[in-house]
Amino acid sequence: ILNVEQSPQSLHVQEGDSTNFTCSFPSSNFYALHWYRWETAKSPEALFVMTLNGDEKKKGRISATLNTKEGYSYLYIKGSQPEDSATYLCAFSGAGSYQLTFGKGTKLSVIP
Amino acid sequence: NAGVTQTPKFQVLKTGQSMTLQCAQDMNHEYMSWYRQDPGMGLRLIHYSVGAGITDQGEVPNGYNVSRSTTEDFPLRLLSAAPSQTSVYFCASSSFGQPQHFGDGTRLSIL
Repeated sequence: ILNVEQSPQSLHVQEGDSTNFTCSFPSSNFYALHWYRWETAKSPEALFVMTLNGDEKKKGRISATLNTKEGYSYLYIKGSQPEDSATYLCAFSGAGSYQLTFGKGTKLSVIP
Repeated sequence: NAGVTQTPKFQVLKTGQSMTLQCAQDMNHEYMSWYRQDPGMGLRLIHYSVGAGITDQGEVPNGYNVSRSTTEDFPLRLLSAAPSQTSVYFCASSSFGQPQHFGDGTRLSIL
């Protein structure tokens, strides 16, 4: 069983603060790292799929970086808003595999 | 564009009963999978399929069966429900290397 770790498990930030969280994954046999946003009572929605070492992706105020050599990815949220409150999941896929191994997520609460 | 459709949304069963959770996708994705979500455990893979006629076990397959007779459908069967199978179940589909699309989930309670 692959080990995908996310930290912190949860955090609370004030509206307007910027924040970031971490996903660590196996550095061997890497194919892709996925980030998903999961709002309460909804289903996970894809944010990014990252495959190249050093890759950086951005969607609005959310961005992510990838380091495949050391096995970590950061997700950044600039100027957090209450609607950013959700659980953020990362998931690892190995070479030649469709399967995703998910971390347990980071639950973000943005306080107005 | 329906995406991934799961039925039912809620179900209560008694211990020992059997049932099938339905999952259908209209995106012609070759990969389909079932996850269960439990507090503190994240999403855990139950079974998956990489195409019609091909299925394989994930991390937590015991007590569940699947089949994939068509590209569109991937039902999950509980053979004899146990309280430990109380969970929220998600079906997902994707093409290779692409993000997974999730259904809305089925909340299952076993009494």
